[in-house]
Amino acid sequence: QVQLVQSGAEVKKPGSSVKVSCKASGYTFSSYSISWVRQAPGQGLEWMGGIIPRFGTTNYAQKFQGRVTITADESTTTTYMELSSLRSEDTAIYYCARLKTWWFDPWGQGTLVTVSS
Amino acid sequence: QSALTQPASVSGSPGQSITISCTGTNSDVGGYNYVSWYQQHPGKAPKLMIYEVTNRPSGVSHRFSGSKSGNTASLTISGLQPEDEADYYCASYTTTTTPWVFGGGTKLTVL
Repeated sequence: QVQLVQSGAEVKKPGSSVKVSCKASGYTFSSYSISWVRQAPGQGLEWMGGIIPRFGTTNYAQKFQGRVTITADESTTTTYMELSSLRSEDTAIYYCARLKTWWFDPWGQGTLVTVSS
Repeated sequence: QSALTQPASVSGSPGQSITISCTGTNSDVGGYNYVSWYQQHPGKAPKLMIYEVTNRPSGVSHRFSGSKSGNTASLTISGLQPEDEADYYCASYTTTTTPWVFGGGTKLTVL
């Protein structure tokens, strides 16, 4: 079955960077875009950016431009999201999701990133 | 502030029907049939319930249905069951600064 499995929880200091991975299985990895969506505690969902693995083409939300980098490794069917210059407001659960044409399905299980001094 | 507007909460009794609205603009909900709905139980990842406004993925109960009128999309859940209690989010493609926007989420309580 189609599945996205993310890396484990992280605790980071303000100003540092975090890199979260998302391993895909059960489908042709290069054929679908992967997006990253975050959810701050008690808040809604926020699209951060995405990548088309076949071409390496990325698209980022304006809010995260310059701080987020999304990459993909076709050999391991893994997508990565790196967020730099972390601040307390970046504490959130980060999800990867496959973009199937015009909807997100499935989603990874989520990775909690805590930013604290 | 979320780009799409949803009610913060709705409630209903078992067996009843409820509708959750999702209001956007001509640049998103009103301009394209690319609205999707997601169910999220506490501590879980979102799950696709409706795509392209009205389509239900395989495995999703027929009690869930979607519609759209103008700039407002709606998710209707009929025959409410206790397991429907969750947060629900709408999403849409948009031609604004970012290609995807979500609603703020609606907490459904089954009384």
